[in-house]
Amino acid sequence: DVVMTQSPLSLPVTLGQPASISCRSSQSLVSSDGNTYLNWFQQRPGQSPRRLIYKVSNRDSGVPDRFSGSGSGTDFTLRISRVEAEDVGIYYCMQGTHWPLTFGGGTKVEIK
Amino acid sequence: EVQLVESGGGLVQPGVSLRLSCAASGFTFSAYTMSWVRQAPGKGLEWVSTISGSGGSTFYADSVKGRFTISRDNSKRTLYLQMNSLRADDTALYYCAGNPGYTDYDTFEIWGQGTMVTVSS
Repeated sequence: DVVMTQSPLSLPVTLGQPASISCRSSQSLVSSDGNTYLNWFQQRPGQSPRRLIYKVSNRDSGVPDRFSGSGSGTDFTLRISRVEAEDVGIYYCMQGTHWPLTFGGGTKVEIK
Repeated sequence: EVQLVESGGGLVQPGVSLRLSCAASGFTFSAYTMSWVRQAPGKGLEWVSTISGSGGSTFYADSVKGRFTISRDNSKRTLYLQMNSLRADDTALYYCAGNPGYTDYDTFEIWGQGTMVTVSS
């Protein structure tokens, strides 16, 4: 199985400051069709997960442009350019290239 | 409005069966790949099972293979998860999730609110 390793586990951030979450996979996420199926999800406290980013860097409709995704191969990053209070929650990366589909362990973003 | 509403969860004893349902509305259900994803209390997300738009292809996590069966009734716009031989480590909030595309298995665009399954004696 592809292991997804996120860091840090916890990320205290000052409002208005940037934040960055790393996600590394145990093998390349480049698919045979040339796409890289790396997703990012946000789970606010008490809510269902919400997809933010798909295929590394494509932002979902309604997702603020302060969220961006980047990376390739086995190394990926989610960036928040200026953290707002509503960004508090747990962020998960997830790979969709290989079966079984696997998630990272999550990164908890909180306000300092 | 796109909506997924799960039901069927509850408190059950180890070894028994339970069937979860997920009612879909607001989109062309048959054109979506559908999945179940679970989250144990205080833990992260775990993919459980996926089914293609037609229902002809199914996929399972090793942890549930042979015990759980995913199915769908496109005429009723409903996804199911039949769970047999339930164990304590199946205790989790079970989310229904969907992705546009008959065989696009790589992501989860829409999510339900979840239904809680507790397995305990």
